Amino acid sequence: NAGVTQTPKFQVLKTGQSMTLQCAQDMNHNSMYWYRQDPGMGLRLIYYSASEGTTDKGEVPNGYNVSRLNKREFSLRLESAAPSQTSVYFCASSETTGEAFFGQGTRLTVV
Amino acid sequence: AQRVTQPEKLLSVFKGAPVELKCNYSYSGSPELFWYVQYSRQRLQLLLRHISRESIKGFTADLNKGETSFHLKKPFAQEEDSAMYYCALSEGYGQNFVFGPGTRLSVLP
Repeated sequence: NAGVTQTPKFQVLKTGQSMTLQCAQDMNHNSMYWYRQDPGMGLRLIYYSASEGTTDKGEVPNGYNVSRLNKREFSLRLESAAPSQTSVYFCASSETTGEAFFGQGTRLTVV
Repeated sequence: AQRVTQPEKLLSVFKGAPVELKCNYSYSGSPELFWYVQYSRQRLQLLLRHISRESIKGFTADLNKGETSFHLKKPFAQEEDSAMYYCALSEGYGQNFVFGPGTRLSVLP
């Protein structure tokens, strides 16, 4: 039972490069989320998707795009990476019961 | 807009001492409140939620709607409790989780 799986686990980008963080869940959850975790800031919501085909901005959406490809997958794209996007990124999913399940995180460094 | 605050960034206690991690929230509706824990180099995991009213690993939390608080308590801290603790609020139906900034608990021997 994999739960929520994120790829890659680590990534180093140069400023201006683009990349996509992948997330998949096998729990048949409707809601999926992308957060970034920074020291002293806790977890901040970037985007979320309440159901397949819908996405909404969270607290810090600038510089990111998302795609809810199907019920299982929710990807996060950085079109032109900036050093301010250096962070640990977490994907999560939840169902109506409310509990959110998290992936193991992606540590991204932009140089 | 909903908001979750955790006033302490770092809390250090000695093993066997009581511990209380504070959480306050602002939300106009009836939120669901959670505590998540992140041990070193592990993913976040649910510790407890207010609707279940359970005690997990000796931790309890009571929702006080009057004070809009959901403080996490444990009577006797253990070294293995050292971790990052996040208070979280959901609007319900698993939507739009909002997390507090987190409190790092350090339990000293």
